[in-house]
Amino acid sequence: AQKITQTQPGMFVQEKEAVTLDCTYDTSDQSYGLFWYKQPSSGEMIFLIYQGSYDEQNATEGRYSLNFQKARKSANLVISASQLGDSAMYFCAMREPPGYSSASKIIFGSGTRLSIRP
Amino acid sequence: EAGVAQSPRYKIIEKRQSVAFWCNPISGHATLYWYQQILGQGPKLLIQFQNNGVVDDSQLPKDRFSAERLKGVDSTLKIQPAKLEDSAVYLCASSPISSNTEAFFGQGTRLTVV
Repeated sequence: AQKITQTQPGMFVQEKEAVTLDCTYDTSDQSYGLFWYKQPSSGEMIFLIYQGSYDEQNATEGRYSLNFQKARKSANLVISASQLGDSAMYFCAMREPPGYSSASKIIFGSGTRLSIRP
Repeated sequence: EAGVAQSPRYKIIEKRQSVAFWCNPISGHATLYWYQQILGQGPKLLIQFQNNGVVDDSQLPKDRFSAERLKGVDSTLKIQPAKLEDSAVYLCASSPISSNTEAFFGQGTRLTVV
């Protein structure tokens, strides 16, 4: 069965430093998508970045980049120049490929709580 | 473009009572998800619809939880009777059918069972 593992329950980082949040996944499928979401204390889930399993380049979106290592089945999120507003929960997620139902579901990891120190 | 709408935002009920949550997805999104997020954990998929059909409800506690999506648009999730362990945030999300797009989430409904 597909699974997402985030081994860092919490991290503290100094403002303006870069931070890497770890994510490993387990799947036997060749086609899948990987996502990162941010969840501030207000509770909404904010989409940050997407990586397709066939994408050859690592995805980037502003200060966010995804370090995709397919052979290792890892999809780490890198935040450059962290800001106080980056303090939040971060979830790694995977979209399974469509099955017999022609729909695909998205499963989430347990999350990492990132705290930025001024 | 309007986002995913959920109501109510907060609900407090006593155990054994019933409760219902409502979700209006983004217009044109065929896929609708209901997730349960217990404090400190990641979201757990309860049920997934494509249009008005259920495509996955393997983690839905069917003895007490039910959901429907009439006409392939709005959806309701019901709990009857509620237990203390149902206290959580219930997140609704929607996405187009295409498999390489993210899901768009609503604000969630925070349920407290006392």
